[in-house]
Amino acid sequence: KQEVTQIPAALSVPEGENLVLNCSFTDSAIYNLQWFRQDPGKGLTSLLLIQSSQREQTSGRLNASLDKSSGRSTLYIAASQPGDSATYLCAVSPSQGAQKLVFGQGTRLTINP
Amino acid sequence: DVKVTQSSRYLVKRTGEKVFLECVQDMDHENMFWYRQDPGLGLRLIYFSYDVKMKEKGDIPEGYSVSREKKERFSLILESASTNQTSMYLCASSLYRVGQPQHFGDGTRLSIL
Repeated sequence: KQEVTQIPAALSVPEGENLVLNCSFTDSAIYNLQWFRQDPGKGLTSLLLIQSSQREQTSGRLNASLDKSSGRSTLYIAASQPGDSATYLCAVSPSQGAQKLVFGQGTRLTINP
Repeated sequence: DVKVTQSSRYLVKRTGEKVFLECVQDMDHENMFWYRQDPGLGLRLIYFSYDVKMKEKGDIPEGYSVSREKKERFSLILESASTNQTSMYLCASSLYRVGQPQHFGDGTRLSIL
């Protein structure tokens, strides 16, 4: 059974720093991996989606990488801002039942001004 | 722009009541999903639907049912609400093609007293 882990559960950094969030998954048979952002009491906003054949995706100050063979993905946030404070979740789409997602528990990020 | 709308942001019901949570999407997506999100347990899939009148159980379907009479609308039904169903409920939709990103609503915070 696919399991997704995000460590650390919480992270606090000063404004302006570059940071990396980690995601690992136990079964490398995935179709894609998606990173989401969740603000308190709100739904999920899709940030980046990486197909299994890709190594990375970029959107503005965000860069997500995927190493399928080792079961790892990272989300890199450059020049962090207080508005980046949120919970970040990663989710994988298994090759079997690819319409479903398996989520990690998220990393709660706080950017201190 | 992508829009998934959940009918209520907050809902308070009593034990034993029949509860309906509604979700509407305006993107002509074939797939629709219901998740619940609980601290320490993350997001878990309750049910999903890949077409009108079609449904599949997710990881935790017990105590729930769903209805999809029209493509744009997916309802989650708590047949007889219990206190352990107090949770944040999230609806999502995606295109049928595998590997497509899921788009989420803002969630319904349901309390069962």
